[in-house]
Amino acid sequence: AQTVTQSQPEMSVQEAETVTLSCTYDTSENNYYLFWYKQPPSRQMILVIRQEAYKQQNATENRFSVNFQKAAKSFSLKISDSQLGDTAMYFCAFLFYNTDKLIFGTGTRLQVFP
Amino acid sequence: DVKVTQSSRYLVKRTGEKVFLECVQDMDHENMFWYRQDPGLGLRLIYFSYDVKMKEKGDIPEGYSVSREKKERFSLILESASTNQTSMYLCASRPQVGGGRRNEQFFGPGTRLTVL
Repeated sequence: AQTVTQSQPEMSVQEAETVTLSCTYDTSENNYYLFWYKQPPSRQMILVIRQEAYKQQNATENRFSVNFQKAAKSFSLKISDSQLGDTAMYFCAFLFYNTDKLIFGTGTRLQVFP
Repeated sequence: DVKVTQSSRYLVKRTGEKVFLECVQDMDHENMFWYRQDPGLGLRLIYFSYDVKMKEKGDIPEGYSVSREKKERFSLILESASTNQTSMYLCASRPQVGGGRRNEQFFGPGTRLTVL
């Protein structure tokens, strides 16, 4: 079975600093998607960034970027210039090309301090 | 803006009651999903639907059923609520066009259900 592991239950970072959230996954498949979702306190979950496994180039969305290491099955999220509004629960998720079952990790709670 | 709404933010029910959780999306999305979120377990898929009157089991369907009579509405039903179904329930929708499964899922605000 496919699994997604987020080994950091909680992390903290000072405003304007950079933080990296780790995610590893286990699969024997070659074609899949990877996602990072953000769930702010008492607010709706939103997509932060997405990566397609066949693309070697790491995805970037403004201050958010990923380090996708396919051979190592690693998909970390880097947040640059952290802002107070980045405080949230972050979930890594995995999806096969031919299924709709999005598999989530257990989440990392990020606190950004002033 | 895509809007996914859920009928209640908080709900308290008693063991054995039949519980309905409603989800409505306003963007004509084909796909809709129900998840439960528990600390230390992340989100787990209960059921999803490709279209009206169609449903597929997710990873933890036991104790739940769903209904999709209209495209915009996807209901989760707990036939006989039990204390182990106390959880946060999240609904999501996703368009099929423009990318299929790679498309973003849009989530509702969640319903925190407590079963006493």
